[in-house]
Amino acid sequence: DQQVKQNSPSLSVQEGRISILNCDYTNSMFDYFLWYKKYPAEGPTFLISISSIKDKNEDGRFTVFLNKSAKHLSLHIVPSQPGDSAVYFCAASANADKLIFGTGTRLQVFP
Amino acid sequence: ETGVTQSPTHLIKTRGQQVTLRCSSQSGHNTVSWYQQALGQGPQFIFQYYREEENGRGNFPPRFSGLQFPNYSSELNVNALELDDSALYLCASSLGSSRTGGYEQYFGPGTRLTVT
Repeated sequence: DQQVKQNSPSLSVQEGRISILNCDYTNSMFDYFLWYKKYPAEGPTFLISISSIKDKNEDGRFTVFLNKSAKHLSLHIVPSQPGDSAVYFCAASANADKLIFGTGTRLQVFP
Repeated sequence: ETGVTQSPTHLIKTRGQQVTLRCSSQSGHNTVSWYQQALGQGPQFIFQYYREEENGRGNFPPRFSGLQFPNYSSELNVNALELDDSALYLCASSLGSSRTGGYEQYFGPGTRLTVT
């Protein structure tokens, strides 16, 4: 049972444009959501998070939006840069318990 | 501030053998979680240790076991290795647990285990 889903395995975006990565979840007990970025041969790097009591959190070029009624969250990166090319994982947690990860979306930002 | 470190980086074992992976948590963090990441998948939770006690376990058999030490470093032990255990093993540290609200977990670089 995949509680966190990232339905787009890959995304290609031109440098300077907006990248939008999507994530859906099924467990209504999740109260905290996180995005991680992963480069090859490295561990996931924490990017940004959002509590279920909010619908938006912004940190520089990164913004996460949460739609609880749709059980959907998205990560916006604007403007996209070539260094953003990586695999992005969405993760969710209930009561600071284990993180449940999606399968990842590979973002490629081209010049 | 020292980040999460893991050793070894790579490891090759034979089916049926035992392996121990090690993790040093980020300075100031008292909780360590272990994850297994198979190729093309997201990390899957194995278990979490908070102040030397197991604080939750994922859907992994008992041959996966762990320890946390007083300095909050941790070990993951896997007995009777199977071919499907080949994966990247990730350690993550955080400040607190479900009891204290520690949500953000910070990952080490992982140990790549290959079982032949």
